[in-house]
Amino acid sequence: GALVYQYPRRTICKSGTSMRMECQAVGFQATSVAWYRQSPQKTFELIALSTVNSAIKYEQNFTQEKFPISHPNLSFSSMTVLNAYLEDRGLYLCGARDRGFGNTLYFGEGSRLIVV
Amino acid sequence: AQSVDQPDAHVTLYEGASLELRCSYSYSAAPYLFWYVQYPGQSLQFLLKYITGDAVVKGTKGFEAEFRKSNSSFNLKKSPAHWSDSAKYFCALEGRNNNRIFFGDGTQLVVKP
Repeated sequence: GALVYQYPRRTICKSGTSMRMECQAVGFQATSVAWYRQSPQKTFELIALSTVNSAIKYEQNFTQEKFPISHPNLSFSSMTVLNAYLEDRGLYLCGARDRGFGNTLYFGEGSRLIVV
Repeated sequence: AQSVDQPDAHVTLYEGASLELRCSYSYSAAPYLFWYVQYPGQSLQFLLKYITGDAVVKGTKGFEAEFRKSNSSFNLKKSPAHWSDSAKYFCALEGRNNNRIFFGDGTQLVVKP
């Protein structure tokens, strides 16, 4: 089956520092990768959508300058949270889409960011 | 614009009862619709999706959902409910022309034994 791995699972960082998280699709080709954030007690906000052969599209309130994303091949993506502050804490999810599985978006276990 | 509304933040019922979690959407064209489940401390697990065709779609864990274009709803159902179904459930919508998936606020389901 389709598997999406995220690393690290949990990071504690000091306010103002940065955190990089990785997303690996195993067993399928991730033609698009979506990054989401779930802030405490809230829903999942779409940060950006990265599609092969297209520019990365960021949603309102999220910028490339703050959340740079790399999607170098069909199995790997990474995102960095630059200058993290309290409002950036939460669970960051990577969702990878596999056209072979009916175009369903499958999620990794998430990278939890704690800012102190 | 596309949006998803889950009007019930919390639903509590007893094991053996039928459950129905409500979801309504707003989108100018025909949407793709999904249900995901989040167990405590975990990520999202895919339950089912509606792409086209039959109004009732069946998914994993015994769940099904009914797409009703007339009132823009996609309610999740299961009968009977089991205590292990206790979790937070998210309805999601994807725009057919933009591949962006947006989630509702979620419904916290508690099934009492």
